[in-house]
Amino acid sequence: QKEVEQNSGPLSVPEGAIASLNCTYSDRGSQSFFWYRQYSGKSPELIMSIYSNGDKEDGRFTAQLNKASQYVSLLIRDSQPSDSATYLCAVNGGDAGGTSYGKLTFGQGTILTVHP
Amino acid sequence: GAVVSQHPSRVICKSGTSVKIECRSLDFQATTMFWYRQFPKQSLMLMATSNEGSKATYEQGVEKDKFLINHASLTLSTLTVTSAHPEDSSFYICSARIHSGNTIYFGEGSWLTVV
Repeated sequence: QKEVEQNSGPLSVPEGAIASLNCTYSDRGSQSFFWYRQYSGKSPELIMSIYSNGDKEDGRFTAQLNKASQYVSLLIRDSQPSDSATYLCAVNGGDAGGTSYGKLTFGQGTILTVHP
Repeated sequence: GAVVSQHPSRVICKSGTSVKIECRSLDFQATTMFWYRQFPKQSLMLMATSNEGSKATYEQGVEKDKFLINHASLTLSTLTVTSAHPEDSSFYICSARIHSGNTIYFGEGSWLTVV
């Protein structure tokens, strides 16, 4: 059974602070990792994808992947109230372009609240 | 705008009836689509993988005779919930993988309420 675990929330940070979200996964063969943001009652929106060890930055978001530790994280700098949402970590066992790509296992989500 | 469209966005049906949810890729071909279910305050759970022109592959614990999936074209997959019961009430979300690519798009989701 493939498992994806996220740090328990909810997480509350003040506006302008850094929010840190963590995720571990059980399938050592996993190749593709994603962070999604989901607002209440809406479908998930992709924030970041990461495939290689190290950091990947996109604007205020930085994803970090450590395959040896089976750990992936998301940092949100200069957090804004509009960042308040549930953040979902998702893992795909297949390579990008492989036949099983897109079959995602999601973590339980971490609720983030950014207060003014 | 949305690149994967789901319809209906909300549906209420009576217990024992069937309801069909469509997932349509706009402006691209999707040989593979995925169906997820999300209960309130829970995460997304993959139900099945839908491949164009072949039978869907269901995840363990998902009843294939209850959740009928048809992927008759490269742009359309449908999920039919048969003999719906109140416990089937959930948020159903599809995603589509672009043909021969590594981009995945999620639909807007469909809220099903069975009364």
